[in-house]
Amino acid sequence: LQLQESGPGLVKPSETLSLTCTVSGGSVRDRSSYWGWIRRPHGKGLEWIGSTYYGGVTYYNPSLERRVSISLHTSKDQLSLSLMSVTATDTAVYYCVHLLGGLRASANYWGQGTLVTVSS
Amino acid sequence: EIVLTQSPGTLSLSPGERATLSCRASQSLGGNYLAWYQQKPGQAPRLLIYGVSSRATGIPDRFSGSGSGTDFTLTISRLEPEDFAVYYCQQFGGSPLTFGGGTKVEIK
Repeated sequence: LQLQESGPGLVKPSETLSLTCTVSGGSVRDRSSYWGWIRRPHGKGLEWIGSTYYGGVTYYNPSLERRVSISLHTSKDQLSLSLMSVTATDTAVYYCVHLLGGLRASANYWGQGTLVTVSS
Repeated sequence: EIVLTQSPGTLSLSPGERATLSCRASQSLGGNYLAWYQQKPGQAPRLLIYGVSSRATGIPDRFSGSGSGTDFTLTISRLEPEDFAVYYCQQFGGSPLTFGGGTKVEIK
């Protein structure tokens, strides 16, 4: 299983951050697979963003829930992340992950990560 | 929110030595809801241990995890050169899922 993040490396404050993760060697249509996003803000530790699976249920970090959306795009075997109204504190390396057995679980596969900088 | 405190912050050891890393939760996880990851510079984290003590696929048996309740330990029985890295614990027993601040294992 391989995961590859893609998207803009620079986003302006107050705009929406949008990232895509392309899955290969597996399928987002697999009902036993769970997918998510984790980030590492600059100079800080790892932070859970949220997770989802083909059954349609999502789980978001309550601190981000009002601004975040995670979706699956089955025709392309992709998952996406949308984070609204970004500020400098959203500057981070964003990782796409596959979760081991549930929406709230350990991440057994990781993408390489993509740096997103929020700046005008 | 469950806060995970890892200690020590840095562990200076020589290859062949035993490493013992601690992860303490601010409240009981209520089950085997703890994982350990290894991260090297420029790389994504790699899952080592899940469910407190189960090794992930391809992880050598020199890595072992133990603990319960609020106190958990990652042990590396004999450090290999490739084991010098930063190690993180993660809990998924409470919401939100959280990570510890990390322990750096460096060459003495």
